[in-house]
Amino acid sequence: DTGVSQDPRHKITKRGQNVTFRCDPISEHNRLYWYRQTLGQGPEFLTYFQNEAQLEKSRLLSDRFSAERPKGSFSTLEIQRTEQGDSAMYLCASSSDPGQGETEAFFGQGTRLTVV
Amino acid sequence: KQEVTQIPAALSVPEGENLVLNCSFTDSAIYNLQWFRQDPGKGLTSLLLIQSSQREQTSGRLNASLDKSSGRSTLYIAASQPGDSATYLCAVRGPSGTYKYIFGTGTRLKVLA
Repeated sequence: DTGVSQDPRHKITKRGQNVTFRCDPISEHNRLYWYRQTLGQGPEFLTYFQNEAQLEKSRLLSDRFSAERPKGSFSTLEIQRTEQGDSAMYLCASSSDPGQGETEAFFGQGTRLTVV
Repeated sequence: KQEVTQIPAALSVPEGENLVLNCSFTDSAIYNLQWFRQDPGKGLTSLLLIQSSQREQTSGRLNASLDKSSGRSTLYIAASQPGDSATYLCAVRGPSGTYKYIFGTGTRLKVLA
């Protein structure tokens, strides 16, 4: 397993367009997170999946953002009607909980979104 | 509401020096705390995970401690090297009722050769 994989690595889009990002977690990990990071800041939580269930969403996640994790494997994050303020690095992370406490979270390399 | 603070925001040290990075959090009811390293424009690399029942974890030249009651963690880096230059982030999970990690804004470390 090569770790958490995110695609694409970079995306430039025009304001108002829709974009979709994909995350492939480490195969045995049942927990999956999406974060957003802007320059000079720590990652900011967007949403959390346990298997296929979306158990937590940030209040920052407007109705333009939606995430899915069908069958509890890969996940997609879609942003509709993009705005310049959506420009950021979108990070995916995965972990597992084998019953002795959650394992460390592993992050992907991120998708850098630029809205022009 | 959990808040995480990291001090200092930036640090520049000569090679070979031992150093300490600090992380503080406002709500002590955490499940775990994790330290990460981030190189410019890259994702995060996990360094150490401390469960709430643990006091410290060690990996190579790194040692992280956790004092839940005072809401503090430190990351100790021994014999620093230029390759250690990066931003170091701490993140806490908890309190109960939330799955998310809350991150600090990081300490930007530069180790001079």
